[in-house]
Amino acid sequence: GENVEQHPSTLSVQEGDSAVIKCTYSDSASNYFPWYKQELGKRPQLIIDIRSNVGEKKDQRIAVTLNKTAKHFSLHITETQPEDSAVYFCAAIVGTGRRALTFGSGTRLQVQP
Amino acid sequence: DGGITQSPKYLFRKEGQNVTLSCEQNLNHDAMYWYRQDPGQGLRLIYYSQIVNDFQKGDIAEGYSVSREKKESFPLTVTSAQKNPTAFYLCASSPGYNEQFFGPGTRLTVL
Repeated sequence: GENVEQHPSTLSVQEGDSAVIKCTYSDSASNYFPWYKQELGKRPQLIIDIRSNVGEKKDQRIAVTLNKTAKHFSLHITETQPEDSAVYFCAAIVGTGRRALTFGSGTRLQVQP
Repeated sequence: DGGITQSPKYLFRKEGQNVTLSCEQNLNHDAMYWYRQDPGQGLRLIYYSQIVNDFQKGDIAEGYSVSREKKESFPLTVTSAQKNPTAFYLCASSPGYNEQFFGPGTRLTVL
């Protein structure tokens, strides 16, 4: 079926290093790709998103890249800080007629001070 | 995010009971959604509504029911038919069908 796959499930980096999380999707018609950050016990917060008419978008230390041909998109966090530690989810709208996001399974990022 | 509220924050249910989770938004968003999150897992779509008096099943609708009588409100009922309802329930709203903004969640525990 239509889905969104996310890797890795856990990621540990040293403070100051970069972190990359990758997602693939199955529906070639998908045109909106958000990333959410969820801290323990809290709601997911939208941190960045990209639409299919661009290949990259940046917001300070965060960037998202999109390869529509290969059907994958990635979150890049540079100069990581301990407060970046959280679970990150990618999402996409997949499936004909479906007008709701399907989420990846999440990546637990741990930034070691 | 502050325009989406969920209540209660914590809810305890005995087996065999139906319970209703509240979700209200004052953002004038047309679309509203319910997701379920289990410990260490992603978000799974239960139901969504693009417009008042209309809603669609998501991936795990069995054992749940919803209504959308008002634009601002999208309550979720967890029925006794839901065999394993203990989870974190998140409501979201969207001005279209792209950006979704989440409420603070309701943590349901079955005793």
